[in-house]
Amino acid sequence: KAGVTQTPRYLIKTRGQQVTLSCSPISGHRSVSWYQQTPGQGLQFLFEYFSETQRNKGNFPGRFSGRQFSNSRSEMNVSTLELGDSALYLCASSEGARSSYEQYFGPGTRLTVT
Amino acid sequence: KNEVEQSPQNLTAQEGEFITINCSYSVGISALHWLQQHPGGGIVSLFMLSSGKKKHGRLIATINIQEKHSSLHITASHPRDSAVYICAVRANTGNQFYFGTGTSLTVIP
Repeated sequence: KAGVTQTPRYLIKTRGQQVTLSCSPISGHRSVSWYQQTPGQGLQFLFEYFSETQRNKGNFPGRFSGRQFSNSRSEMNVSTLELGDSALYLCASSEGARSSYEQYFGPGTRLTVT
Repeated sequence: KNEVEQSPQNLTAQEGEFITINCSYSVGISALHWLQQHPGGGIVSLFMLSSGKKKHGRLIATINIQEKHSSLHITASHPRDSAVYICAVRANTGNQFYFGTGTSLTVIP
């Protein structure tokens, strides 16, 4: 099976712009989670989707949003970009939303905001 | 307030040494994960634990739910084990993930 894929892998945006990142889970996986990783804050949970429904959300402002499609692919959107949004954005997929399912991580999208 | 604390932050070992990384957490959890991140960013899930002990090759992970503590052990360490090891917990209230700040391990040949 192919692993989790994320596109694009690298992105440079200007402050104030918006960005959309994409995540394709492993075939058969119905749960997708998104994480932000920065040198200062480390890894932080953004949100989790299962069967097109957001199940959990981390402590991020409303500028961060996401969605999941019927084929389990997921997108996250950040509007009105700030310099502090520069980070590695990781998604992970699992078979289900229960804690007993292992997560498989994608390679990440490195976003730089200038 | 950090829900997950890891120690040490940095660790340098000689090849062949036995290594222990510790993780303490303050929330009730449904699962604890040990993750490995190599330079370049890719993250691999090493273990998922809710009780007891698991072993994969030279890696062993243990968890003590009562003490809210987990350890990751690497036996006969090798330079390819050099990476950042991250402890993560899934809270049983709210179902959120919380992450430790990671332990940067360097194994010298």
